[in-house]
Amino acid sequence: ETGVTQTPRHLVMGMTNKKSLKCEQHLGHNAMYWYKQSAKKPLELMFVYNFKEQTENNSVPSRFSPECPNSSHLFLHLHTLQPEDSALYLCASSQEGQHSGANVLTFGAGSRLTVL
Amino acid sequence: AQKITQTQPGMFVQEKEAVTLDCTYDTSDPSYGLFWYKQPSSGEMIFLIYQGSYDQQNATEGRYSLNFQKARKSANLVISASQLGDSAMYFCAMREWKGGSEKLVFGKGTKLTVNP
Repeated sequence: ETGVTQTPRHLVMGMTNKKSLKCEQHLGHNAMYWYKQSAKKPLELMFVYNFKEQTENNSVPSRFSPECPNSSHLFLHLHTLQPEDSALYLCASSQEGQHSGANVLTFGAGSRLTVL
Repeated sequence: AQKITQTQPGMFVQEKEAVTLDCTYDTSDPSYGLFWYKQPSSGEMIFLIYQGSYDQQNATEGRYSLNFQKARKSANLVISASQLGDSAMYFCAMREWKGGSEKLVFGKGTKLTVNP
């Protein structure tokens, strides 16, 4: 496998459920990201992990809980979500520390979440 | 304040013609990077082209070119010889380096439709 892989691609859950989104990157990158993409809104950065350490939490509600066990894997644990949390959740990775040149984020295909 | 502005919610272009997608940005940092991503209906964000704030020449990648006007803070994407497969959402993004961390901030996107 190459690139950034996200599972599941689609998830439907009730407000009382607990589920997790998984992201795996095979690019040797040291940083991973969660973005939320809602209809008609810009992509919102949720979390950033650099060398497994969380370096950014963009005021995300605690019902979203990230986990980064190593530089290749990133999880987003979901519990007691609200219908307004329905969105496309995109994972990305990059090679941080390069403050010049195109430090490109490579994205996965996303996990489409629907909260009933 | 919005940092990336894409004023065209939707654009239409005839196949084989050129199209320009607008993007303006707002930053007080001298060092930044500008990106364009394409998002087809499958959901994955695909990197197209990058322009660094210190680059003297406009970036080009195949049929994509970036019209970088630093004084006007604009970074328009030009797609030449449009193809049906170019129909997608296009996002302009800016990378900032602040406090040792890097962030990629996205605009709301422009939906491009290429007509046969």
